[in-house]
Amino acid sequence: SYELTQPPSVSVSPGQTASITCSGDELGDKFAFWYQQRPGQSPVVVIYEDTKRPSGIPERFSGSNSGNTATLTISETQAMDEADYYCQAWDGSTPYVFGTGTKVTVL
Amino acid sequence: QVQLQQWGAGLLKPSETLSLTCVVYGGSFNEYYWNWIRQPPGKGLEWIGEINHSGTTNYSPSLKSRLTISVDRSKKQFSVNLTSVSAADTAVYYCARAKYCYDSSGYSPRGGYYFDYWGQGALVTVSS
Repeated sequence: SYELTQPPSVSVSPGQTASITCSGDELGDKFAFWYQQRPGQSPVVVIYEDTKRPSGIPERFSGSNSGNTATLTISETQAMDEADYYCQAWDGSTPYVFGTGTKVTVL
Repeated sequence: QVQLQQWGAGLLKPSETLSLTCVVYGGSFNEYYWNWIRQPPGKGLEWIGEINHSGTTNYSPSLKSRLTISVDRSKKQFSVNLTSVSAADTAVYYCARAKYCYDSSGYSPRGGYYFDYWGQGALVTVSS
């Protein structure tokens, strides 16, 4: 079965840049999607189709996807960005696969 | 504005059947796949299964033998039943809408689905 691997945690200082990776076999041949989940809340999509931001998502959120790795980048990180982040891919044979999740801590 | 609202029993005993329903407000019901996703306490997200308006389903292989997802188009509702639950099924269960995206501009076309709207979640606890 298809697997997506993320680092368990990332720490960042306010105003700095956080990068979260998502690794999977030939992930660049699929779309990567990213979700933010604050404590006690439902996930919210922050990046779709590798690089696109839904309406209402700040410009400081950006994404890339190439080879075996997709990356979510949070620029000028704010305290409100502290959350769990999950990548997701879709494959016709496996349907939906979520990454293992990354806890972002803003110190 | 699209909203998903879900409900169902929150406390079950082992071997009972989990049953949850999600109603969709706003937007088209016929153009999307409607999904169930769960999250055990302190753990990550796990896709359970999906259904479209005509009743076509896709299930997670690991749950397929115990799982039924159904739809009521007239009410814009879809439901999940999971039989023979155990403590391992304790989780927050979410309903979500899956949106299709496609891009043919690259060297090879790509397509896929992602979850653009989610329900509020429902904690289901299995305990004797």
